[in-house]
This record gives sequence, structure tokens and C-alpha cells, in this order.
Amino acid sequence: AQTVTQSQPEMSVQEAETVTLSCTYDTSESDYYLFWYKQPPSRQMILVIRQEAYKQQNATENRFSVNFQKAAKSFSLKISDSQLGDAAMYFCAYRREGGNKLVFGAGTILRVKS
Amino acid sequence: DTGVSQNPRHKITKRGQNVTFRCDPISEHNRLYWYRQTLGQGPEFLTYFQNEAQLEKSRLLSDRFSAERPKGSFSTLEIQRTEQGDSAMYLCASSARDRPREQYFGPGTRLTVT
Repeated sequence: AQTVTQSQPEMSVQEAETVTLSCTYDTSESDYYLFWYKQPPSRQMILVIRQEAYKQQNATENRFSVNFQKAAKSFSLKISDSQLGDAAMYFCAYRREGGNKLVFGAGTILRVKS
Repeated sequence: DTGVSQNPRHKITKRGQNVTFRCDPISEHNRLYWYRQTLGQGPEFLTYFQNEAQLEKSRLLSDRFSAERPKGSFSTLEIQRTEQGDSAMYLCASSARDRPREQYFGPGTRLTVT
């Protein structure tokens, strides 16, 4: 069974600074997708960024980028120029090719200090 | 463009009662998913529909749980004889036929069993 591990229960970052959230996963599949979702307090979860395992190039969405290391099964999220609105719970998630369900990590709470 | 909606947003019930939740996916999305999220954890997959067909169920979905999507549009999740361990946030997500990898989440229904 696939598992996703987020080893940082909580992280803090100063406004305008950069922070990196860690995620590792375990799978025997070669084709899969990885995601970072953001869940603000009392609000719904939104997709931040997606990475296809067959792509070597790391995905980027504005201030959000990932460092995908397939051999190490590592998928970290970097947030540049952090803003107060980035404060949320961040979940790393995995989905195998042809699969339906997302497998989530336990999440990392990100606090942004002004 | 309306997102995924869920009703009710909050439900408090007494142990042993039955409850039903509703999810309205984004229109034209033919795939629908239910997840359960307990406090401080990531969501866990419960079940998946493609149109009206329930194609996958988690072992978490005990015989007290039943989900339907009768016309391939909205879905309902019923829990019979609720137990305190059923207290959680129940999340619904949907995805489009041509973009199945991107799941869009609703705000969730928070269930409290007293």
C-alpha cells in the first residue's frame, strides 16, 4: 500500500521569506502523480500544485514550486515570498496512474509571521 | 462557476441515530469522491463514483455506511446507527472526465456524535 509521510507537524516563516515543506512517499509504482493541497482554517481544500512522476522537470505555479526527487521518493514544496494568506494546513498527496483515490499525508501547519 | 457544495455544513447527532449528507459536484464533473478527515489528520478515501456507478469502496466504509449517486449528479452518504468514532469531517470531491487527476473539494460536513 502506498503511504505518504509529512515529518513536519508545524512550520513557521516570516512574511516575504521562503519556506520548504517536506514530503516523502512509498510506492512500488512507476507512474503516479503527486499533489500539494492547501486547507485554510475552516475553509475548503484547494489544489496548489501537481507533479507527474514521468516528468523530470519540477512543477512551478507562481510563488510555489516543488523539488521532486523520484529515486529518493521525495516531494517538497517551496513557497517563496510568503504571504499572510499562505497560512494554512498543507497536505501532500499521492495518486497512482489509473487509480482513483488520493492518499494524503498527515499535514503540516504553516504559520506566517508579520 | 460554482464549486462543490455540501449540506449540511455541521451536524450534531446522538449516538445510534442515522444521518445523511449531500454533495453536489461541479456541473459536468462525472467523477465523485468521498473522504473522511479526523482532527489533525489528512483525509482518508471512502468511496468513488463514476457517473452513477460506485466503482471503489474503502475498507473504512463499514456496513453502516452507504453512498449513492442515483442520477450521476448529486451524491448522498448515509451513516446508520452512528457511533462516537464516526465524528469527523466528511469531504466530497469531484473531477472532470477529461481531467480526472484534479480533484476539487467541497467545504465538508462536520459530524459530531454525542
